[in-house]
Amino acid sequence: NAGVTQTPKFQVLKTGQSMTLQCAQDMNHNSMYWYRQDPGMGLRLIYYSASEGTTDKGEVPNGYNVSRSTTEDFPLRLLSAAPSQTSVYFCASSEWVKNTEAFFGQGTRLTVV
Amino acid sequence: DAKTTQPNSMESNEEEPVHLPCNHSTISGTDYIHWYRQLPSQGPEYVIHGLTSNVNNRMASLAIAEDRKSSTLILHRATLRDAAVYYCILSVGSGTYKYIFGTGTRLKVLA
Repeated sequence: NAGVTQTPKFQVLKTGQSMTLQCAQDMNHNSMYWYRQDPGMGLRLIYYSASEGTTDKGEVPNGYNVSRSTTEDFPLRLLSAAPSQTSVYFCASSEWVKNTEAFFGQGTRLTVV
Repeated sequence: DAKTTQPNSMESNEEEPVHLPCNHSTISGTDYIHWYRQLPSQGPEYVIHGLTSNVNNRMASLAIAEDRKSSTLILHRATLRDAAVYYCILSVGSGTYKYIFGTGTRLKVLA
């Protein structure tokens, strides 16, 4: 099983550029999440989606956008990259209940110069 | 959202038990307590979760206080491969659920 797949694994952007981080899961999970992890810090929730067609803001949504047009995919768009968005981004998925585990991807390491 | 508080770091000797504490004094009655760990350069991986009763699985045990304001992750015999950052997380929400991470405890295992 592939689980949660994130692409690309590494990316360098120039300030002001836009890009989309891809996330796909093959477990038919309802819920999907995007987190960012700054050096030496814990994970902070950017956006999440309870099901296809719905999205909600997390703790740090500014500068990002998401959509959930299919169950499998949950892309994260950086609208105009800034150095403060240099981070490792993790996507996760889970069933739509509280008493279940979430599965995380391996992360995308993004550097904005 | 309810928050968790963990010590920044802990050390343990190899093959000894490790007790990782977590405080969550503002937990609500329907919030589950989850533990994840993150090995270097990897995404977090699930360890264990529970609501009220103590839980055991092949990786660890979870002891939950009677008032649910604290919990302890127990690794019965630490190995060098258990060196990681351990996160105590509450799954919160009503209708939609989200996992809010704290800063975690960095566990160092000494050979």
